[in-house]
Amino acid sequence: QVQLQESGPGLVKPSETLSLTCTVSGGSLSNLYWSWIRQPPGKGLEWIGYINYSGSTSYNPSLKSRVTISVDTSKNQFSLKLTSMTAADTAVYYCTRVGPYSCFTYWGQGTLVTVSS
Amino acid sequence: QSVLTQPPSVSAAPGQKVTISCSGSSSNIGNNYVSWYQHLPGTAPKLLIFENNRRASGIPDRISGSKSGTSATLGITGLQTGDEADYYCGTWDSSLSAVVFGGGTKLTVL
Repeated sequence: QVQLQESGPGLVKPSETLSLTCTVSGGSLSNLYWSWIRQPPGKGLEWIGYINYSGSTSYNPSLKSRVTISVDTSKNQFSLKLTSMTAADTAVYYCTRVGPYSCFTYWGQGTLVTVSS
Repeated sequence: QSVLTQPPSVSAAPGQKVTISCSGSSSNIGNNYVSWYQHLPGTAPKLLIFENNRRASGIPDRISGSKSGTSATLGITGLQTGDEADYYCGTWDSSLSAVVFGGGTKLTVL
């Protein structure tokens, strides 16, 4: 059974960069796409971006200027960097495995990131 | 403001049937596959339906999905208290070049 686990700081200061890592167990990153999705408190889901095992990416245009997603196949991990954090970036961040036609088949438990000084 | 439009809430009695609508446009639902997710607070969202009407592994056949034109519908029959959750639709938007979601629908089983 594939499992995903997010890790990273729960608190980030305004203007700083968020760095999160997703560790995948029970399966390989190979030949698949992986994604980050977030949910601000009391709001709906927002797609952040994709990466595949070879490092090819696609980002949400609304976040593209601030987002970098990378992959480390040797560690079976992929990561998210989001720069210039503001209070509007406070959210639960999920890492997911992408299935057919942009569905999300496996999800991590999510990690709450709060932006505050 | 979400690209896909869902009713904020729906409710029905145990054992009854409920449908949740998801409305979009030709750039998203009209020309792309729709997926549906169940989200219980504090847990990871769970894929229910993909490719408009295919159930994910382990999802019972009392849960169904359909699509017509620029709208999609999730149906749940034989409602149980355990079905109380938030439900989201999602799809690719070819104009935005992004995955988009509905705002979510809170299902209450009375």
